[in-house]
Amino acid sequence: GAVVSQHPSRVICKSGTSVKIECRSLDFQATTMFWYRQFPKQSLMLMATSNEGSKATYEQGVEKDKFLINHASLTLSTLTVTSAHPEDSSFYICSARDETSGGHSTDTQYFGPGTRLTVL
Amino acid sequence: QQQVKQSPQSLIVQKGGISIINCAYENTAFDYFPWYQQFPGKGPALLIAIRPDVSEKKEGRFTISFNKSAKQFSLHIMDSQPGDSATYFCAPPSGGYQKVTFGTGTKLQVIP
Repeated sequence: GAVVSQHPSRVICKSGTSVKIECRSLDFQATTMFWYRQFPKQSLMLMATSNEGSKATYEQGVEKDKFLINHASLTLSTLTVTSAHPEDSSFYICSARDETSGGHSTDTQYFGPGTRLTVL
Repeated sequence: QQQVKQSPQSLIVQKGGISIINCAYENTAFDYFPWYQQFPGKGPALLIAIRPDVSEKKEGRFTISFNKSAKQFSLHIMDSQPGDSATYFCAPPSGGYQKVTFGTGTKLQVIP
């Protein structure tokens, strides 16, 4: 089955540094990828929709200058947390749509394994 | 605006019992109703999904029941096993990019 990978799986950084997280679709091409954030014991909150070759679309309340998204190819999207602070510590999850069935609502979304970010 | 509401928030079921999780939605534009399963420290994975043209779909021990008029759908886990202990989310997609709206989640614990 389709697989989405994320790298790194876990990262610890100092406050003020920037962290880049990669999301790759391994055996399908994804025009659209999504980035989520999940705090402990909470649901996944959509941060942004990443579109290959164009600017990402951010959800209300998400700072686009803080969370930089680049979708440079049909298999790779990156999320960079700039000037990270302890409140950015969270579980970041990406997903990718397999649109081979034609771009319908039934397109399966495959989720990555997540990246645990801890900012000291 | 919360478009999907899940209940209960948590559920404890004995091994072999039936687990039932409900999801109520507001957006009538939803036309695909998936349930995702998430284990601690992992990303969610699609468990089972239904289109609104059918009222029930069964895959192994997992069944989705759909009530269009009530705008509700539910997940039934038959013969629940300790390995089913996880958090379950209803998460219908919508819009041009098919963004997924996650419910609040239900933490299921199946005890031996």
